[in-house]
Amino acid sequence: GAVVSQHPSRVICKSGTSVKIECRSLDFQATTMFWYRQFPKKSLMLMATSNEGSKATYEQGVEKDKFLINHASLTLSTLTVTSAHPEDSSFYICSARGLAEGETQYFGPGTRLLVL
Amino acid sequence: GQNIDQPTEMTATEGAIVQINCTYQTSGFNGLFWYQQHAGEAPTFLSYNVLDGLEEKGRFSSFLSRSKGYSYLLLKELQMKDSASYLCVVMDSNYQLIWGAGTKLIIKP
Repeated sequence: GAVVSQHPSRVICKSGTSVKIECRSLDFQATTMFWYRQFPKKSLMLMATSNEGSKATYEQGVEKDKFLINHASLTLSTLTVTSAHPEDSSFYICSARGLAEGETQYFGPGTRLLVL
Repeated sequence: GQNIDQPTEMTATEGAIVQINCTYQTSGFNGLFWYQQHAGEAPTFLSYNVLDGLEEKGRFSSFLSRSKGYSYLLLKELQMKDSASYLCVVMDSNYQLIWGAGTKLIIKP
């Protein structure tokens, strides 16, 4: 089946610094990638949707200047949390969907971010 | 390797009961989640099991057996709105999420 990876799996950073999270589709071309944020035992909150080669579409309430998303190739999307604050500490999950996969999204293992 | 198995698709009748099974092999275990996902929407949290046994929440119940690497999601009094994909997700010892491919549940009148 289709595999999606994320790197790093966990990161600890100081308040005010920026953190980049990578999401890769390993064995298929992801025309669309989604970035989610998860709070403990809560539903995934969609942050943004990105299509390869175009600007990401952000959900209401998500600051696009704070959460920079780049989907430069069919196998890689990055989420950069700029000027991170402790309230940005969370579990960030990406998913990917390709033309051949239809509506099925394949989820990554998640990245745990802790901002001190 | 790490693996989650669940049926690709199931069909059930409105008003009936359906059980969606999930088996897993992972490096360690820190809990099992069930999510519901309607087409084009974000997954919605349904349940979290970390201890063996049955957790009941309204029409939905989730069961876990850690020794067997097995869980099921039980949906009662099925409604048409329950037509969705159901995702079985395990958190491993590194707190990474291992996602099943999802079971597409089709409800017929």
